[in-house]
Amino acid sequence: EAGVTQFPSHSVIEKGQTVTLRCDPISGHDNLYWYRRVMGKEIKFLLHFVKESKQDESGMPNNRFLAERTGGTYSTLKVQPAELEDSGVYFCASSQDRFPSSSANVLTFGAGSRLTVL
Amino acid sequence: SQQGEEDPQALSIQEGENATMNCSYKTSINNLQWYRQNSGRGLVHLILIRSNEREKHSGRLRVTLDTSKKSSSLLITASRAADTASYFCATALISSGSARQLTFGSGTQLTVLP
Repeated sequence: EAGVTQFPSHSVIEKGQTVTLRCDPISGHDNLYWYRRVMGKEIKFLLHFVKESKQDESGMPNNRFLAERTGGTYSTLKVQPAELEDSGVYFCASSQDRFPSSSANVLTFGAGSRLTVL
Repeated sequence: SQQGEEDPQALSIQEGENATMNCSYKTSINNLQWYRQNSGRGLVHLILIRSNEREKHSGRLRVTLDTSKKSSSLLITASRAADTASYFCATALISSGSARQLTFGSGTQLTVLP
């Protein structure tokens, strides 16, 4: 079974430019999450999709961030325009648990996309 | 403030020794999970302990949970150089809403010296 794949693995852009990160979850996983780790700090939740719907986007820092999951398959996270503080590693994760199942939600993570904004 | 905070931030031990990492959290949880991240790789799920459990084992891993103190510990016995990684605890919150995400801390960087 293919895991969660993310692209690109590393992106270096200048302040003000746009970057789009892509995540391909495990096939059949309805739940897709985006997380971010900035400068060795905690891994922070950004948002959660259930299929193509945004279930929770409370962690999105501001309106420069736009996430989509058209068709409920892969997801993109666009940052426009990028700022210096956006630098970090963006992780995508997916899970198969059906909400509102009471089962534990164990996530499978991708390797992350490292974003460097100069 | 963080829901999950790992302690220590960094730990360096010799191969063969045991490594203990701690995690504290603030709110009531459904379960607590530990993940490992090797450099340049994604997070890998290690073990899950539910709120009604106090201790769990998986191979060389031992996890304890004290809900009264809102804390957990991860013990890695007979450590190996390959255990070198960042370790994160993650909590799944009891929620009446729709939130299903895990809340992570800032991690403990474990270095096992050969």
